[in-house]
Amino acid sequence: DIQMTQSPSSLSASVGDTVTITCRASQGINSYLAWFQQKPGKAPKSLIYAASNLQGGVPSRFSGSGSGTDFTLTISSLQPEDFATYYCQQYNNNPYTFGGGTKVEIK
Amino acid sequence: QITLKESGPTLVKPTQTLTLTCTVSGFSLSTSGVGVGWIRQPPGKALEWLALIYWDDDKRYSPSLKNRLTITRDTSKNEVVLTMTNMDPVDTATYYCALTAGYSLMDYWGQGTLVTVSS
Repeated sequence: DIQMTQSPSSLSASVGDTVTITCRASQGINSYLAWFQQKPGKAPKSLIYAASNLQGGVPSRFSGSGSGTDFTLTISSLQPEDFATYYCQQYNNNPYTFGGGTKVEIK
Repeated sequence: QITLKESGPTLVKPTQTLTLTCTVSGFSLSTSGVGVGWIRQPPGKALEWLALIYWDDDKRYSPSLKNRLTITRDTSKNEVVLTMTNMDPVDTATYYCALTAGYSLMDYWGQGTLVTVSS
């Protein structure tokens, strides 16, 4: 199985900050990488697919980059509604594994 | 508007079989490229992908659970059903279904249903 390692596991930030979350795959996954946002008690929401493509309706302050094994999710000018847990997921190889999550908390 | 809704028991006993249904509205499961999958999340833990079925009946299973899972679809009802045999307390989780419209594997998600395994 491909292991997806996210870092950090949690972070504290202020409204207006720029936040970067890293996701590393244990082997190359091309650009088959998605990012999801999950708020407490809610279902995940798809943010980014194919490493850098925003889903419809997702604010442009979210961006993704990377290919191969190293990927990043960047949130520019953090907004109050962005405080949540973020997961990466690879869909290059079955099983389609998720990272352990990064919790973004208010400083 | 695309919506997915999971339904099934909230409590099952150990060794029993769990059957969950995902009802999709706003998108035909017969559409080329469309698939519906299942993902679970134990309380306080990360997401785990379980299974996926495509419009052409192509099925994918997590190898670690393959022996216990069966995924089927009913295009007349626009539903996908997941069965998981031999349930154990470690299978206690919120189970989500999610639809791929060809972008990520999970473009749209259901609200999830909490399944507790306990005697």
